[in-house]
Amino acid sequence: DGGITQSPKYLFRKEGQNVTLSCEQNLNHDAMYWYRQDPGQGLRLIYYSQIVNDFQKGDIAEGYSVSREKKESFPLTVTSAQKNPTAFYLCASSMAWQPQHFGDGTRLSIL
Amino acid sequence: AQTVTQSQPEMSVQEAETVTLSCTYDTSENNYYLFWYKQPPSRQMILVIRQEAYKQQNATENRFSVNFQKAAKSFSLKISDSQLGDTAMYFCALPPSGNTPLVFGKGTRLSVIA
Repeated sequence: DGGITQSPKYLFRKEGQNVTLSCEQNLNHDAMYWYRQDPGQGLRLIYYSQIVNDFQKGDIAEGYSVSREKKESFPLTVTSAQKNPTAFYLCASSMAWQPQHFGDGTRLSIL
Repeated sequence: AQTVTQSQPEMSVQEAETVTLSCTYDTSENNYYLFWYKQPPSRQMILVIRQEAYKQQNATENRFSVNFQKAAKSFSLKISDSQLGDTAMYFCALPPSGNTPLVFGKGTRLSVIA
């Protein structure tokens, strides 16, 4: 079955550590997105990519980095510069004008 | 810039009753899509229904239907025969164009009461 896989489901970060969240899709979608969601809040866009080897900053890109070396993969790195990384992270993908398909999310916490 | 406004932060409804969630938006596009997503306590984002702006007929998916008023830029979601499993956050969303990220409303938290 086609879909989006995010891993891990839970992740813990130590002070000063970079961590990487994985997002893989087998839907052959061109565009991929990363969102952050804080408790009881809506979705805020971190980064998005419309084609391989290209990506754009969203509303809250500071402290995060991404790469898009393959169409299927769009990993997100939460760097030590992100001082408040505790949140729920959602990855999504889509074709033009079609609804976004979402992964099941990764919950990141600070140790 | 496109905007999406959901004016009801929280709503509740009795099981088996009908509830309507409001959404208004602003866009300069003439042809576009609108979506409603559901996020249950599991936090999965699930597409509930979509509406194409060039279609005058309101979209329907089983117990879910929309009231789309293009001139008023209104896109409300009606849930009929509410079930406990409908308890969730509901987000209205609009794609500015093509593969640009969706613009989401802030969400409405719906509680279905037995």
